[in-house]
Amino acid sequence: NAGVTQTPKFQVLKTGQSMTLQCAQDMNHNSMYWYRQDPGMGLRLIYYSASEGTTDKGEVPNGYNVSRLNKREFSLRLESAAPSQTSVYFCASSLTSTTYNEQFFGPGTRLTVL
Amino acid sequence: KNEVEQSPQNLTAQEGEFITINCSYSVGISALHWLQQHPGGGIVSLFMLSSGKKKHGRLIATINIQEKHSSLHITASHPRDSAVYICAVLPTSGTYKYIFGTGTRLKVLA
Repeated sequence: NAGVTQTPKFQVLKTGQSMTLQCAQDMNHNSMYWYRQDPGMGLRLIYYSASEGTTDKGEVPNGYNVSRLNKREFSLRLESAAPSQTSVYFCASSLTSTTYNEQFFGPGTRLTVL
Repeated sequence: KNEVEQSPQNLTAQEGEFITINCSYSVGISALHWLQQHPGGGIVSLFMLSSGKKKHGRLIATINIQEKHSSLHITASHPRDSAVYICAVLPTSGTYKYIFGTGTRLKVLA
């Protein structure tokens, strides 16, 4: 039971390049989330998926797209990376998106955009 | 003003000391989550609570819903407790999105 897994762990991009961050969970959770973490700031929600087939914008969605490929997988795509997207990205999942639902986090992807 | 405030922002302690990290919030909540993040590492769940107190090993978390305040205590601290501790709340406003504090960076010296 791996929990929430993310790939890659580290990535360096040049401005304008694209890439997809992968996330998968094996806990049969319905809801999945993408966050970014920047120094001095709390985690900020980029996009979330309350259930398979649905996605919604979070607090900072600009410059990102997501795909809920199936119940297990939720990917985050940067179409044209910018230095402002240098950050640590965390994927999380929870059983449902209703209240009192504990979120479980992946190990993170450290992204640098030059 | 942030909806979730943690104090202190940074804390250095000697091994064996009793440590308290505080979290205050300004919204109505259904639950509060304490998380731990080691340097360069992932985020691990410590406690999720909506009332009272929970204990796991040397860690104790308390919450006072009326005062909108939670504390995380570490007894007999150890260098391996060095990490960032993050408070996150689940508002009752109908959204299921966490609101995160900015974290408390703890360093325990041997």
